[in-house]
Amino acid sequence: GQQLNQSPQSMFIQEGEDVSMNCTSSSIFNTWLWYKQDPGEGPVLLIALYKAGELTSNGRLTAQFGITRKDSFLNISASIPSDVGIYFCAGQLTSNTGKLIFGQGTTLQVKP
Amino acid sequence: GAVVSQHPSWVICKSGTSVKIECRSLDFQATTMFWYRQFPKQSLMLMATSNEGSKATYEQGVEKDKFLINHASLTLSTLTVTSAHPEDSSFYICSATFFSGGSYEQYFGPGTRLTVT
Repeated sequence: GQQLNQSPQSMFIQEGEDVSMNCTSSSIFNTWLWYKQDPGEGPVLLIALYKAGELTSNGRLTAQFGITRKDSFLNISASIPSDVGIYFCAGQLTSNTGKLIFGQGTTLQVKP
Repeated sequence: GAVVSQHPSWVICKSGTSVKIECRSLDFQATTMFWYRQFPKQSLMLMATSNEGSKATYEQGVEKDKFLINHASLTLSTLTVTSAHPEDSSFYICSATFFSGGSYEQYFGPGTRLTVT
């Protein structure tokens, strides 16, 4: 089945540092989404990307939809302790159901 | 933003019993609802796609007789884990989606922690 390769698997950084994570796929996606999940909770949508090449920001977060439609990255600038959590990318293949394919997740830890 | 609720947030049951989990879209009508399960330190695994008034579509490897899905209305879907066993212990998450502005927006519930003893 379709898979998304998300990297890195985990990151341990110092507060104030910038963070970058990415997802790649062998399949073309119509939509790329980035979610954050805190322990014991459901994922929360951070950024949605709908067009190839699109660059979108949400506060300190910036994400881009790759030109080939097979990849996306998420950057977090000036990290803070509350950025701790698991970040997932998700791709939407078809437009008739909204079904998502998830990456494996990137666990982010921030040292104050 | 759109809100999706799940009930219960956690449940402990004995092996062999059945457990029902509800998923509700509180402020919108959902075109489709999805059910996922998540094991510790792993990603979300899609179990099934649920549309109101029709049978759910299960992903390969997911037993439809084990995980019964009922989608009674555009705001409610239920997942029943039948004859639960310890290996069914997991974090179950639902999501609800609606079509807006040419694309689907998908929102997740807070999850239900199931522990089978």
